[in-house]
Amino acid sequence: EPEVTQTPSHQVTQMGQEVILRCVPISNHLYFYWYRQILGQKVEFLVSFYNNEISEKSEIFDDQFSVERPDGSNFTLKIRSTKLEDSAMYFCASKGGANYGYTFGSGTRLTVV
Amino acid sequence: GESVGLHLPTLSVQEGDNSIINCAYSNSASDYFIWYKQESGKGPQFIIDIRSNMDKRQGQRVTVLLNKTVKHLSLQIAATQPGDSAVYFCAEIPPIKAAGNKLTFGGGTRVLVKP
Repeated sequence: EPEVTQTPSHQVTQMGQEVILRCVPISNHLYFYWYRQILGQKVEFLVSFYNNEISEKSEIFDDQFSVERPDGSNFTLKIRSTKLEDSAMYFCASKGGANYGYTFGSGTRLTVV
Repeated sequence: GESVGLHLPTLSVQEGDNSIINCAYSNSASDYFIWYKQESGKGPQFIIDIRSNMDKRQGQRVTVLLNKTVKHLSLQIAATQPGDSAVYFCAEIPPIKAAGNKLTFGGGTRVLVKP
């Protein structure tokens, strides 16, 4: 069964450093998403991406965040200057199109120290 | 604003019994709802979905009920098994946009299955 792959599974970074979280969505999917989950809390929407541009973003997704689909297969989330409160699980998801079949990756646990 | 919430944060159930997980949503315009299961250290896993033009949908050992009058969603798990122990989230999607269709998740209910 096709999977959404995320790397790394766990990343530790110092406050103020830049991090890039990587995702390989399912190959024929058209819609891409990043969500995050702070420990013990619900999953929160960050951003959706379609047709090589952001289609929607949440209040969390401020100027410190950016997304990119550099080569047609990877989908990345960059945090320019990490803060302690950015510590969370970050989930990538993709969706094929007219149907609502979201597939989530297993997540990257980001720990900012 | 939009919100999706759960009544019970933790549900303890005996193996073999049925489980019922509840969810309230506030956006009456939402037209699609999904239940997800999340095991420790993993991403949300699709369980079952339902569109707003339905009030019941059944899958393998799971049933989702939608009551639009009171904006309530429930997930029933029949003959709960140890492997059902996880956190369960409901999620809603507002009416279709040209692109996006973000999910709004509820707060989650932890199901603990006792042997």
